[in-house]
Amino acid sequence: DAGITQSPRHKVTETGTPVTLRCHQTENHRYMYWYRQDPGHGLRLIHYSYGVKDTDKGEVSDGYSVSRSKTEDFLLTLESATSSQTSVYFCAISDLLEGYTFGSGTRLTVV
Amino acid sequence: QKEVEQDPGPLSVPEGAIVSLNCTYSNSAFQYFMWYRQYSRKGPELLMYTYSSGNKEDGRFTAQVDKSSKYISLFIRDSQPSDSATYLCAMNRAGGSQGNLIFGKGTKLSVKP
Repeated sequence: DAGITQSPRHKVTETGTPVTLRCHQTENHRYMYWYRQDPGHGLRLIHYSYGVKDTDKGEVSDGYSVSRSKTEDFLLTLESATSSQTSVYFCAISDLLEGYTFGSGTRLTVV
Repeated sequence: QKEVEQDPGPLSVPEGAIVSLNCTYSNSAFQYFMWYRQYSRKGPELLMYTYSSGNKEDGRFTAQVDKSSKYISLFIRDSQPSDSATYLCAMNRAGGSQGNLIFGKGTKLSVKP
């Protein structure tokens, strides 16, 4: 997806280990978001950021933390991964209230 | 009642059919309405964006908002196999925090050749 990249694309990790997912944008958009997508639940907001060092919690923030030290990077950390955090994680960016641009996603499996 | 309800389908139609996808919502403050298309193993992509009530057309796609009924629709004319995807509605209220975009769970559409 133009202007937004997520890494890694796939990851398998063990229960109890910390995991960090990265979202990088080249659009200089102010807002960045982390969502998880699960069957039957759709897209659920984990955390979002409205500027460097400015973040807020979403609907399903427990067990997750985020950091944004630069406009272009938004990191999502699973402090101690659990099997319930197996999911597809999407990063999104926006500048105005006209819709989000999503990344290609990270498939995370916690075993 | 959930804020946004969307029939998950799946919906299967023959090529060339007119497709109607719908969402209902409960929050009368919603002003911005969007439709996203998501292909398998890809991120959602913005398809249509409308503000307040009315229709918006873009090629074979028409988005319709009926605020009095709290109902939004996406129509696809002359559907093609390449339209096979999951379609998600999303909405937000005017002046709302950027973290308040609410998504439907998506309707999976399959267009058969």
